[in-house]
Amino acid sequence: DAKTTQPNSMESNEEEPVHLPCNHSTISGTDYIHWYRQLPSQGPEYVIHGLTSNVNNRMASLAIAEDRKSSTLILHRATLRDAAVYYCILRDEENYGQNFVFGPGTRLSVLP
Amino acid sequence: DSGVTQTPKHLITATGQRVTLRCSPRSGDLSVYWYQQSLDQGLQFLIQYYNGEERAKGNILERFSAQQFPDLHSELNLSSLELGDSALYFCASSLWTGDQYGYTFGSGTRLTVV
Repeated sequence: DAKTTQPNSMESNEEEPVHLPCNHSTISGTDYIHWYRQLPSQGPEYVIHGLTSNVNNRMASLAIAEDRKSSTLILHRATLRDAAVYYCILRDEENYGQNFVFGPGTRLSVLP
Repeated sequence: DSGVTQTPKHLITATGQRVTLRCSPRSGDLSVYWYQQSLDQGLQFLIQYYNGEERAKGNILERFSAQQFPDLHSELNLSSLELGDSALYFCASSLWTGDQYGYTFGSGTRLTVV
């Protein structure tokens, strides 16, 4: 499995933008980049995913580097409810048997 | 509410015992996945079922087994429990295997082995 590298933890102030980085230098051409987050005492939840182009949804934006070796999850205005562990995961969409492999993720703290 | 229902929410049992964790997938989803999350191991994939059949196995111990029933609900059976089996067990579902939009997770069952 192609691996991802994320900072262990990050801090942000409430109502400010947050940029969560992810490095994936060994990404293959068919690997999608997925982001999940896990709020305290809950199961992981889907945030966003993309292949090559930047993606936006109601939760976040995903900025993918041109060479695809890194990506950034952007929370436009952090709230206290965004405090969670954020996981960046690669999955090869041509290998339909592959399951999501979760790394340690980035623990985001949001300060009031 | 994610649509994936896991019962029970909490379970306390003694070493050597056997327990069954239950998962009802989101309506219409055919794939069910089981993950274990302990403090020192993070989220570990255990096993996947698709429409009643086992599709993939991860780091699942021989003492553990699972199945998916015709109504698509799934059960994870843990036997000869050890202290180290104490963890959160998550079930997730997806429409089909390889669903690009990924998984919907339940809120988990917290198992404590004493």
